[in-house]
Amino acid sequence: GESVGLHLPTLSVQEGDNSIINCAYSNSASDYFIWYKQESGKGPQFIIDIRSNMDKRQGQRVTVLLNKTVKHLSLQIAATQPGDSAVYFCAGVSNDYKLSFGAGTTVTVRA
Amino acid sequence: SQTIHQWPATLVQPVGSPLSLECTVEGTSNPNLYWYRQAAGRGLQLLFYSVGIGQISSEVPQNLSASRPQDRQFILSSKKLLLSDSGFYLCAWGTANNEKLFFGSGTQLSVL
Repeated sequence: GESVGLHLPTLSVQEGDNSIINCAYSNSASDYFIWYKQESGKGPQFIIDIRSNMDKRQGQRVTVLLNKTVKHLSLQIAATQPGDSAVYFCAGVSNDYKLSFGAGTTVTVRA
Repeated sequence: SQTIHQWPATLVQPVGSPLSLECTVEGTSNPNLYWYRQAAGRGLQLLFYSVGIGQISSEVPQNLSASRPQDRQFILSSKKLLLSDSGFYLCAWGTANNEKLFFGSGTQLSVL
């Protein structure tokens, strides 16, 4: 199976600055990773994904970086906005197609 | 488009009472269905998943059970709730290869 974990439980960022959320995984055979955003009292929402044959993938204001050498991925949010305040989870897909989630990083955007 | 419905949004139940949480999916056929639990400030713990009607896999031993009476219906149950069953319960569905999961809005269960 897959074991994933995030480096920091909380992150405070000034509005307009860039945010970087980190995640480490244990299973080098994992071939797919997903970032989810969860707002208070709601279910997680898909943000962006990346396959293991990629190093980087960009979306709208978000970029995911994958470093397979050190088994690390990160989510970068450009020009962080108040609406970005949420808990962010990384998830890895193991070979049995079950997602394993990290504990989450709570991002708080300061005005 | 596919949608997932989960209810109720909040539930307060006494210890020892039964539980039934329902989840339905629309707009897709033969989805893989999941129940997750999230303790306050924690990550998501997979409880059950189902790849078809009547097929249930349990991930952790616990006081809960799941059933899938119809293709797009997934039910989480308990005969007697424990205090430790409190948490945020999330239903999710995925495609055949489960590369993405789509979550319901969750049920906040408080067992008192």
